[in-house]
Amino acid sequence: DAGVTQSPTHLIKTRGQQVTLRCSPKSGHDTVSWYQQALGQGPQFIFQYYEEEERQRGNFPDRFSGHQFPNYSSELNVNALLLGDSALYLCASSPGDRRSSYNSPLHFGNGTRLTVT
Amino acid sequence: AQSVTQLDSHVSVSEGTPVLLRCNYSSSYSPSLFWYVQHPNKGLQLLLKYTSAATLVKGINGFEAEFKKSETSFHLTKPSAHMSDAAEYFCVVSLLVGFQKLVFGTGTRLLVSP
Repeated sequence: DAGVTQSPTHLIKTRGQQVTLRCSPKSGHDTVSWYQQALGQGPQFIFQYYEEEERQRGNFPDRFSGHQFPNYSSELNVNALLLGDSALYLCASSPGDRRSSYNSPLHFGNGTRLTVT
Repeated sequence: AQSVTQLDSHVSVSEGTPVLLRCNYSSSYSPSLFWYVQHPNKGLQLLLKYTSAATLVKGINGFEAEFKKSETSFHLTKPSAHMSDAAEYFCVVSLLVGFQKLVFGTGTRLLVSP
């Protein structure tokens, strides 16, 4: 049973460029959340996708956007990269039923380490 | 607003001694709380969760945590530390704001010496 998989594992970009990160959820999960973890900090919620729609987003600018595909996989896109976007980007999946999801722990991938130079 | 506070940024123990990682939460309703562990260059792994059932929660790798409503605490403990326990530990509160959103503490780095 495959867990959450993310690609690529590492990425180096230049300021102003655009980047796309990919995530496949755990089998049986239909909801994908994205988190940004800056060095030495806890993860911060970016947004969540369910039924191919953004369900909610955290305090991140519009440069951060995403997409969810019919097979529940997801992409995170960041435009006009800034040095401050350097971080570990974590994808997490969970079942989408709201009655169960409150208590259901998220399953995290190993993340994509993005370095902006 | 709901949040968690991890009281120690670093905790150092010797192998074989007890571990205590402290966490206090703030929530206007009965929260769901989790502890996650993150090993270097890895994602987050769930250690245990509290969801208003038993207040003493047992997790993986010998860890457990006790929910104390009167103290708004959810401290993580382990009777005997192992070298492999060295990692970053996050206390997390789950919010139901139409969907599940996790709010992470700032983390506690556990150092285990031989």
